[in-house]
Amino acid sequence: EAQVTQNPRYLITVTGKKLTVTCSQNMNHEYMSWYRQDPGLGLRQIYYSMNVEVTDKGDVPEGYKVSRKEKRNFPLILESPSPNQTSLYFCASSLAAGGYDTQYFGPGTRLTVL
Amino acid sequence: SQQGEEDPQALSIQEGENATMNCSYKTSINNLQWYRQNSGRGLVHLILIRSNEREKHSGRLRVTLDTSKKSSSLLITASRAADTASYFCAPFNYGQNFVFGPGTRLSVLP
Repeated sequence: EAQVTQNPRYLITVTGKKLTVTCSQNMNHEYMSWYRQDPGLGLRQIYYSMNVEVTDKGDVPEGYKVSRKEKRNFPLILESPSPNQTSLYFCASSLAAGGYDTQYFGPGTRLTVL
Repeated sequence: SQQGEEDPQALSIQEGENATMNCSYKTSINNLQWYRQNSGRGLVHLILIRSNEREKHSGRLRVTLDTSKKSSSLLITASRAADTASYFCAPFNYGQNFVFGPGTRLSVLP
């Protein structure tokens, strides 16, 4: 089954404790991205990747890192999480860059930073 | 980046009625996509309409695009309780970041 998987689905952590949210897709998609969703603000793009070893900032990249060492994986790293990063996070992938093609979304990771 | 603005922000209808939601944007686009999100879940793609298209259908969904008015509408006919969700538009221009609007929350009451 074609899908985007994220882990963990739920995470509660404390300020400053580094964490990684994994994202994997099995559709051989070139493009992957991360979004955060906050009430009243809709979805905002954090980072995106056009291909392996190619990443770029989205609209809200501060406090986040990403890497794309393999085509299928695109982990999101919070090196020193803060409470304002409490949010619902989505990973997405598509054949071509974001708006050119259908994006497939993961189920989401709900992160709480205390 | 260009963000679409959905209208209304929230909409409640009875099962069997039609639901219409609108999306406005500011600058020219190459295409516009509509997505659905059930509560707390990932977005699901509904329709992509290109700038040279005026209307597209998919099952009970009908999307129109008026580039002169910089607007799009999504019509869901004969709505069902399962259509209860948030609906997002995403106008896109090549070379720009892909941005979602704040969405329309649709409630379909039995």
